[in-house]
Amino acid sequence: DIQMTQSPSSVSASVGDRVTITCRASQGISSWLAWYQQKPGKAPKLLIFAASTLQSGVPSRFSGSGSGTDFTLTISSLQPEDFATYYCQQANTFPITFGQGTRLEIK
Amino acid sequence: QLQLQESGPGLVKPSETLSLTCTVSGGSIRSSSHYWGWIRQPPGKGLEWIGSLHYGGSTYHNPSLKSRVTISVDTSNNQFSLNLTSVTAADTAVYYCARLAVREPRGDVWGQGTTVTVSS
Repeated sequence: DIQMTQSPSSVSASVGDRVTITCRASQGISSWLAWYQQKPGKAPKLLIFAASTLQSGVPSRFSGSGSGTDFTLTISSLQPEDFATYYCQQANTFPITFGQGTRLEIK
Repeated sequence: QLQLQESGPGLVKPSETLSLTCTVSGGSIRSSSHYWGWIRQPPGKGLEWIGSLHYGGSTYHNPSLKSRVTISVDTSNNQFSLNLTSVTAADTAVYYCARLAVREPRGDVWGQGTTVTVSS
């Protein structure tokens, strides 16, 4: 199985800050990576797929980059509604695997 | 607008079988471009993919769940189902159903989730 490791596990930031979350795959997955946002009590919401393609309706302050084994999710200017937990997911091969999550908290 | 809704018992006894159904509305489960899958999330923990199927018959399971998982489709009712046998407390989780693209499987539509507790 491909292991996905996110860092940091949690981060504190303020409204307006720029935040970057990293995801590393245990082996190369080309650009087959997705990012999700999850708020408490809610289902995950797809933000980005194919490493850098923004899902329809997702604000442009979210962006993704990377290929191979190293990927990043960047939020350019945090808004109050962005405080949530973020997960990466590799879509290269079955079994599908997720990172452990990064909790983004208000400073 | 495509919607998914999970249904099933919220409480299952240890060693019994967990059975959930996902009803798809606003679209057809007979999509050649999509898988239909189950993902779970234990309390306070991260996401775990359980398995996915294509209406045409292909199925994929998480090997960590070994042979306990069966995922099936009912195209006449636009539903797909999960059976997880021999459950233990470790199977207590919120269970989500989701639609995933065949090319680069990512969950673009999710159900709201249903909480299943394994307890006697």
